[in-house]
Amino acid sequence: LAKTTQPISMDSYEGQEVNITCSHNNIATNDYITWYQQFPSQGPRFIIQGYKTKVTNEVASLFIPADRKSSTLSLPRVSLSDTAVYYCLVLGADFNKFYFGSGTKLNVKP
Amino acid sequence: SAVISQKPSRDICQRGTSLTIQCQVDSQVTMMFWYRQQPGQSLTLIATANQGSEATYESGFVIDKFPISRPNLTFSTLTVSNMSPEDSSIYLCSVVVLSSRGYYEQYFGPGTRLTVT
Repeated sequence: LAKTTQPISMDSYEGQEVNITCSHNNIATNDYITWYQQFPSQGPRFIIQGYKTKVTNEVASLFIPADRKSSTLSLPRVSLSDTAVYYCLVLGADFNKFYFGSGTKLNVKP
Repeated sequence: SAVISQKPSRDICQRGTSLTIQCQVDSQVTMMFWYRQQPGQSLTLIATANQGSEATYESGFVIDKFPISRPNLTFSTLTVSNMSPEDSSIYLCSVVVLSSRGYYEQYFGPGTRLTVT
């Protein structure tokens, strides 16, 4: 399983774009990259998933370089309600194991 | 998508007793997982509970301590046995479904906050 490394915490201000990078140096060929958001006292919530290049949905964008050894979650124009912990996971092709790393605590300030 | 409910939402238990946590999903799912999350910490996978097979436990977790049942595709229980204060944590049920976009998406229940005194 590919281990992930993320910054422990990040600060931002309302209206800014936030980029959170995750390192996964030993990602395997068939692994996917998935990001989750967790608010206090709630279970994690799926944000976005990708394999390579760029994926965009209504919530965020995910950038994955050609070597796939890292990925960047981009949150456009954050608001106070985006204050949460963001987890990066690398999933094996069999999708039978879902291990969480330490996560990044994002603090959005007014 | 999948909507997951857990019971109880929280409980305070005495050491030496056992608590069974229920997880109900609004659709049939094959892959189900149980996690534990200590305050301020990340999630730790306890076991995988796929219907039709025995639960598979992660290192550090054993069936005698955390027995799991998976009687059908929409329900599972996790029992925390012979509890000690170290078992105080949030326990989360999770399922994985294949989304309409072709991704395997993971959904979580709201969690059960357990305090052992």
